Amino acid sequence: DTEVTQTPKHLVMGMTNKKSLKCEQHMGHRAMYWYKQKAKKPPELMFVYSYEKLSINESVPSRFSPECPNSSLLNLHLHALQPEDSALYLCASSQGGGLAGGPGEQFFGPGTRLTVL
Amino acid sequence: TQLLEQSPQFLSIQEGENLTVYCNSSSVFSSLQWYRQEPGEGPVLLVTVVTGGEVKKLKRLTFQFGDARKDSSLHITAAQPGDTGLYLCAASGVRDAGNMLTFGGGTRLMVKP
Repeated sequence: DTEVTQTPKHLVMGMTNKKSLKCEQHMGHRAMYWYKQKAKKPPELMFVYSYEKLSINESVPSRFSPECPNSSLLNLHLHALQPEDSALYLCASSQGGGLAGGPGEQFFGPGTRLTVL
Repeated sequence: TQLLEQSPQFLSIQEGENLTVYCNSSSVFSSLQWYRQEPGEGPVLLVTVVTGGEVKKLKRLTFQFGDARKDSSLHITAAQPGDTGLYLCAASGVRDAGNMLTFGGGTRLMVKP
């Protein structure tokens, strides 16, 4: 299995809703990442988990809450989002432990298209 | 100022033409990746280059890593409509050690039949 999967593919939510994005990989990778991507822009790093521990939080608002239940799963819990949070949310994984060094290859999932009304 | 400058930002060409996309920085990279992304999908890894001066080929795509490991290029020969997409270069070891990636601004390629 050489892919990263993400669910759901699309999500529409109101500003008062609570929802979660899910990501899974079975490549034995030790680092997992959440990115946010706006239209026609490159991905922006949000969070990094290294060996199931949060190692980087790029000053993301608290309405985004990541969780890493085990080495294969990564969740992003959403609460009280704003319309400007609408974007493509990408999950990625890499073999190295985020800060451990290595070739830097990250493998991305297909993304969740989030729309906040 | 972006750490990784990618050019051009947008390219519209006819099928059969050749093109080159550039990715430049004043910093030395540990490695550099090229990704291709279609609308609404995640980036797909095309290649990783690690050694200065390295050249890798993937069918009609040729990737080059500069001798000083500060720049890279992607050359597409005889472009086809299926090559249309957003091309992203991403480097590790620019901002800090390890696997953190710094992305270029992207090149949006459109190949017309």
